[in-house]
Amino acid sequence: SYDLTQPPSVSVSPGQTASITCSGDKLGSKYACWYQQRPGQSPVLVIYQDKKRPSGIPERFSGSNSGNTATLTISGTQTMDEADYYCQAWDSNTVVFGGGTKLTVL
Amino acid sequence: VQLVESGGGLVQPGGSLKLSCAASGFTFSGSGLHWVRQASGTGLEWVGRIRTQANNYATAYAASVKGRFIISRDDSNNTAYLQLNSLKTEDTAVYYCTKGGDYGDFDFWGQGTLVTVSS
Repeated sequence: SYDLTQPPSVSVSPGQTASITCSGDKLGSKYACWYQQRPGQSPVLVIYQDKKRPSGIPERFSGSNSGNTATLTISGTQTMDEADYYCQAWDSNTVVFGGGTKLTVL
Repeated sequence: VQLVESGGGLVQPGGSLKLSCAASGFTFSGSGLHWVRQASGTGLEWVGRIRTQANNYATAYAASVKGRFIISRDDSNNTAYLQLNSLKTEDTAVYYCTKGGDYGDFDFWGQGTLVTVSS
């Protein structure tokens, strides 16, 4: 089966840049997307098609995908960005999620 | 866009439950629908999907639920369903209904409904 690997946790200071990686075999040949999930809430799509932002998602969220790694970058991180982040891709007609990364802003 | 799940609750191992997802605010008949679950304190797990009438309502399921869960839809009522059979304790989770986007993403999510499998 296909696996997507994320670091369990990332810490960042307010105003700094946070990068969350997602690794999978030849992930760059697939579309990757990212979801933000705040405690007690449903996931929200923040990046799709590797690097596009849905309407309403702040410009500080950006994405890239090449080789075996997709990256979610949050520039000028704010305290409201503290949440769990999940990457997702398709493989062999099934959906795969990464294990999630807890972003702490402190 | 709004997706509202219902039907969750407490069920004994081996039992069955049927979840509903009422949709509004978009062309339901033209969209693929997915179910994703999340056990307490853990990550997201894709359960399965149903495509549109144009794609013959094709379904696909995660290996962990294949043969036990069934996804269906009623385009006349803008509602999707998830039939859960032969339930196991490990099926305990919040079940989310999601709308499939154009690039394999899930662009809108419901609030989720909790299914607890316990004796």
